[in-house]
Amino acid sequence: DTGVSQDPRHKITKRGQNVTFRCDPISEHNRLYWYRQTLGQGPEFLTYFQNEAQLEKSRLLSDRFSAERPKGSFSTLEIQRTEQGDSAMYLCASSLVGLEQFFGPGTRLTVL
Amino acid sequence: AQTVTQSQPEMSVQEAETVTLSCTYDTSESDYYLFWYKQPPSRQMILVIRQEAYKQQNATENRFSVNFQKAAKSFSLKISDSQLGDAAMYFCAYGGGNEKLTFGTGTRLTIIP
Repeated sequence: DTGVSQDPRHKITKRGQNVTFRCDPISEHNRLYWYRQTLGQGPEFLTYFQNEAQLEKSRLLSDRFSAERPKGSFSTLEIQRTEQGDSAMYLCASSLVGLEQFFGPGTRLTVL
Repeated sequence: AQTVTQSQPEMSVQEAETVTLSCTYDTSESDYYLFWYKQPPSRQMILVIRQEAYKQQNATENRFSVNFQKAAKSFSLKISDSQLGDAAMYFCAYGGGNEKLTFGTGTRLTIIP
């Protein structure tokens, strides 16, 4: 296990379609975070899990967004009825409680 | 809510010289962490250095060091002997009690050969 992986790396979709991203954290890490990064900005927190429990959701996460982490391993982030404003890089990070977060390469979403 | 401000959108430095990137933050918490992350072009974000707020001693990692001024809520990053591989976006980040990170807007560092 060499780090956090994310799939796909790039996704192009049409407005109104649903998309799902996957994140595989470092295996022993119990915390998993999702961030969104738009061009020229720093990442913004979306949500995080400790094991399988979703502990916090940002107000940025509208009802069209849902995240899961079944069995406390990989996580998925789904966006329903995508809008052009959803175009961004979606970053996943994992950590052990209280320690540094390790980031994945991100999934770049383009909504046409 | 915590905020992180990086007032230098771009910086450049001659190779082998020293450069300092600025960061200020605002928080009402007393126990927290501060981080500098590096994001090279089209590559993933990696941690450069971290500082625990309860520690008075400034963190260092090889050529990277910080100047942490808790009362002033300032957390600058000094890169010594700059190398071409240091070229990247640098993000200052705050981690509080819930451990989610709040990032600044970043500083793009260019290394001039």
